Amino acid sequence: SQTIHQWPATLVQPVGSPLSLECTVEGTSNPNLYWYRQAAGRGLQLLFYSVGIGQISSEVPQNLSASRPQDRQFILSSKKLLLSDSGFYLCAWTAFRQGVTEAFFGQGTRLTVV
Amino acid sequence: KQEVTQIPAALSVPEGENLVLNCSFTDSAIYNLQWFRQDPGKGLTSLLLIQSSQREQTSGRLNASLDKSSGRSTLYIAASQPGDSATYLCAVKNNAGNMLTFGGGTRLMVKP
Repeated sequence: SQTIHQWPATLVQPVGSPLSLECTVEGTSNPNLYWYRQAAGRGLQLLFYSVGIGQISSEVPQNLSASRPQDRQFILSSKKLLLSDSGFYLCAWTAFRQGVTEAFFGQGTRLTVV
Repeated sequence: KQEVTQIPAALSVPEGENLVLNCSFTDSAIYNLQWFRQDPGKGLTSLLLIQSSQREQTSGRLNASLDKSSGRSTLYIAASQPGDSATYLCAVKNNAGNMLTFGGGTRLMVKP
């Protein structure tokens, strides 16, 4: 079966510090991978998606970047965090199986920038 | 640009009631629509997925319908239980592009 791992679950970082959040998927190959952010009281906003190794598309300009060094690994990074980067970050993947494309999400990382 | 709206934003009902959550979208050229559940501080759990060619999907006490022409979907929860308390999100995948567009969610509380 397919599973998605996302860590850490919670993170408190000072302004100006770097960030690295990691997401890995098991049990599938060549998935589409996504990073979403959920700010308090707001909906999910797509930040980045990737259709393959080294292929990253950014949906919104921001202080963050993403990388996909391996087929099933997706990393969200920042060189210098801002207060506005605080939020709940979710990794997701989609798979096309039996004629259906379905999305699955990780458990999320709660990032607080202080 | 696809926009997804969920009404109501919050809902509180006594245990045992049947309830309907609403989701509307502006662009009817969708590939599929997915309903998710999110518990506080947790990730999203997929509940039901409806392909654009389908009109409804059922799983246990949950039934999701889709009216693509009018840009609407509903999630029906029968005989609600306190364990159903969570935020319910609908998301639409368009025919073009790889992304899901989410609604703002409905925060449901079922009181014992």
